[in-house]
Amino acid sequence: DIQMTQSPSSVSASVGDRVTITCRASQGITSWLAWYQQKPGKAPKLLIYAASSLQSGVPSRFSGRGSGTDFTLTISSLQPEDFATYYCQQTNTFPHTFGGGTKVEIK
Amino acid sequence: QVQLQESGPGLVAPSQTLSLTCTVSGTSITSGSFHWTWIRHHPGKGLEWIGNIYYRGTSYYNPSLESRITMSLDTSKNQFSLNVNSVTAADTAVYYCARDQVANWGARRLDYWGQGTLVTVSS
Repeated sequence: DIQMTQSPSSVSASVGDRVTITCRASQGITSWLAWYQQKPGKAPKLLIYAASSLQSGVPSRFSGRGSGTDFTLTISSLQPEDFATYYCQQTNTFPHTFGGGTKVEIK
Repeated sequence: QVQLQESGPGLVAPSQTLSLTCTVSGTSITSGSFHWTWIRHHPGKGLEWIGNIYYRGTSYYNPSLESRITMSLDTSKNQFSLNVNSVTAADTAVYYCARDQVANWGARRLDYWGQGTLVTVSS
């Protein structure tokens, strides 16, 4: 299986801050990576797919970059509704493994 | 609009079979663009991809669970199902069904999810 490692596991930030989350794959996955946001008690919500394509309806402050093994999700200006846990998922090879998650908390 | 809804028992005894159904509305499970997926979230842990099934009946299961799981489709009801046998406490989790959209250029994404259902394995 391809292992997905996210860092940091948690980050404390303030409204308006720029936040970047990193996801590293144990082997190359070209650009087949998605990012999800999950709030407590809710299903994950798709933000980004194919590393950098913004899902319809998702605010443009979310952006994704990367290819091969190293990827980032950036929130350009953190909003109150962005405090949540973020997961990456590789869709290159079955099983489509997820990263361990990054919790974005209020500073 | 597209909606998915999980249903099934919230409590399963150890060594028994966990059976869940996902009812899909607003889209057909026989569409060639979609694979139908199960994911679970263990309490306090991350997400685990369980497997998926395509309308032609082909499926792929996570090797960590492959010996214990079966997925199926009921096209007449626009539903798909998951069975996990010989369950233990380690199978306690919130189970989600989701639609995996496959673009013709290869991109895949879980674009619609059910709300999730908590299944507890306990006697």
